[in-house]
Amino acid sequence: QQPVQSPQAVILREGEDAVINCSSSKALYSVHWYRQKHGEAPVFLMILLKGGEQKGHEKISASFNEKKQQSSLYLTASQLSYSGTYFCGTEELRGTDKLIFGTGTRLQVFP
Amino acid sequence: NAGVTQTPKFQVLKTGQSMTLQCAQDMNHNSMYWYRQDPGMGLRLIYYSASEGTTDKGEVPNGYNVSRLNKREFSLRLESAAPSQTSVYFCASSLRGGIGNQPQHFGDGTRLSIL
Repeated sequence: QQPVQSPQAVILREGEDAVINCSSSKALYSVHWYRQKHGEAPVFLMILLKGGEQKGHEKISASFNEKKQQSSLYLTASQLSYSGTYFCGTEELRGTDKLIFGTGTRLQVFP
Repeated sequence: NAGVTQTPKFQVLKTGQSMTLQCAQDMNHNSMYWYRQDPGMGLRLIYYSASEGTTDKGEVPNGYNVSRLNKREFSLRLESAAPSQTSVYFCASSLRGGIGNQPQHFGDGTRLSIL
């Protein structure tokens, strides 16, 4: 079952903040976040593992509430380059790397 | 470093025709995946391969077959294409096994239209 993302779309001015949420009905081992620009491939942003470990390489932060099976992505001081569609991918079984992706949150940042 | 390479980039088929989408990665990754992306549906997993010689069904496997030819290559075959299979297909790969979860690296996609 696909995780549910909210909101479906966000419009921001440069410098504003946004939070994107991802919620699953299943127990999760990890949550991945990816960003996809129009016409391009998804690009990895961050992994959050059960137990608190995080892996990422951009100036983006996120949280993972294991009890509620929810994750949130925090975009602060947004830049024009943040525009795109954000997807969360959830891993239910440890070590399979099998992800079920949400339907996405479209983020548009304007000057 | 090419990463994940998909061919072809675009294809138009007639209903009932067959074709194979090719995917190759040069990152020595163990796991490979095929997704389809339709408007408003996000990425849906068709098949994946956790290692050479193994394949497993994902969320939407009907109408597709896959082959993990070797560690580098993972192909997706449509035996009898249907208009409902019009989509953008992405191949991805990741390193896995004993060292924590790993990010997936995506190819540029194949845009497939079935008339």
